[in-house]
Amino acid sequence: DAGVIQSPRHEVTEMGQEVTLRCKPISGHNSLFWYRQTMMRGLELLIYFNNNVPIDDSGMPEDRFSAKMPNASFSTLKIQPSEPRDSAVYFCASSNRQGLGTEAFFGQGTRLTVV
Amino acid sequence: GQQVMQIPQYQHVQEGEDFTTYCNSSTTLSNIQWYKQRPGGHPVFLIQLVKSGEVKKQKRLTFQFGEAKKNSSLHITATQTTDVGTYFCAGHPPPMDSSYKLIFGSGTRLLVRP
Repeated sequence: DAGVIQSPRHEVTEMGQEVTLRCKPISGHNSLFWYRQTMMRGLELLIYFNNNVPIDDSGMPEDRFSAKMPNASFSTLKIQPSEPRDSAVYFCASSNRQGLGTEAFFGQGTRLTVV
Repeated sequence: GQQVMQIPQYQHVQEGEDFTTYCNSSTTLSNIQWYKQRPGGHPVFLIQLVKSGEVKKQKRLTFQFGEAKKNSSLHITATQTTDVGTYFCAGHPPPMDSSYKLIFGSGTRLLVRP
């Protein structure tokens, strides 16, 4: 298994531009999480999906952020318009939630820099 | 909202010394997981604890889940340079069956002097 795949690995964009981050979870996993990591705020849960349905998006910072999961093998996180304070590493993670919780497998992350 | 804090934020030790990080949740957790993130890497799962008071060991690492299921600790005996990284606890708030949320602690960054 290739694990969770994120693209791009690095993204540099100008303020005001639209940014789309992509994630392919591990096949067969039914839960998908988007996290944002910064030095100041640590690992923040932005949104999570179960069986492709968004369950809780209370961590999404603003309306500029949106996430979709059109099918079990693909999810996107979009920022429109982007701002310098959005600069961070964005991680996607998936898990196969059964019973008393299971481990989350993380992708390599996308390092976003907004200038 | 629920918060999971870890202390210390940073720990710099001499190789061979022991290390402990503590995790405290503002509310009861259904379970606790521990992850390690190497510099420049992504979090990698280490272990999960479910039962109140549970203790698990992985070689030099000892994990404990508090009796009230609101706190946890990770202890590393005789640290090595390969232990360098940030250690995160993470937990699912109850009730387990309806909550898919995985909340991460603030992390403890471990540096080891050779």
